[in-house]
Amino acid sequence: AQTIHQWPVAEIKAVGSPLSLGCTIKGKSSPNLYWYWQATGGTLQQLFYSITVGQVESVVQLNLSASRPKDDQFILSTEKLLLSHSGFYLCAWSTGENTLYFGAGTRLSVL
Amino acid sequence: GEKVEQHESTLSVREGDSAVINCTYTDTASSYFPWYKQEAGKSLHFVIDIRSNVDRKQSQRLTVLLDKKAKRFSLHITATQPEDSAIYFCAASKGYNKLTFGKGTVLLVSP
Repeated sequence: AQTIHQWPVAEIKAVGSPLSLGCTIKGKSSPNLYWYWQATGGTLQQLFYSITVGQVESVVQLNLSASRPKDDQFILSTEKLLLSHSGFYLCAWSTGENTLYFGAGTRLSVL
Repeated sequence: GEKVEQHESTLSVREGDSAVINCTYTDTASSYFPWYKQEAGKSLHFVIDIRSNVDRKQSQRLTVLLDKKAKRFSLHITATQPEDSAIYFCAASKGYNKLTFGKGTVLLVSP
């Protein structure tokens, strides 16, 4: 069975500090990987997707970047956090047939 | 780009009643329509989906209807239970890797 693990579970960070969030998928080779962001009480905004190692496509510009260093790993990062980066970050995977399977998420508070 | 509108922001029903959540989309090329459930403070879980080659799909107490002419789809939940209480998100996609979500409907099922 496939499992998706996100880390950390929660972060409290200062404005201007760096950030790195991670996601690992086990039990599935070559998954499509996604990062979504959900503002408090809001809808989901797709940030990035990746269909293979080393290739990441950006969907929106939010002063964030993503990388896929390994087949089963997806990293979201920024060098300088903004207040507007606060929210719930969700990693997801799919087999390319559109159904997304989400991780438990990382709750980020930027102060 | 695609826009998905979810018409009910909140829906309150009594246990045992039916609930219907309606969504509309703008892109006639969209062909995949999933629904996700988010319980309080948690991540999203896939609930049911429908593809444009059918107009109805049922899974136990859940039915999804798709009206391509009206660009409308809906989630019907019968015999609601308190554990159905959650935020439900509809989404639409016309291809791999880009899923657009609605803003979510809070479903409250009271005993």
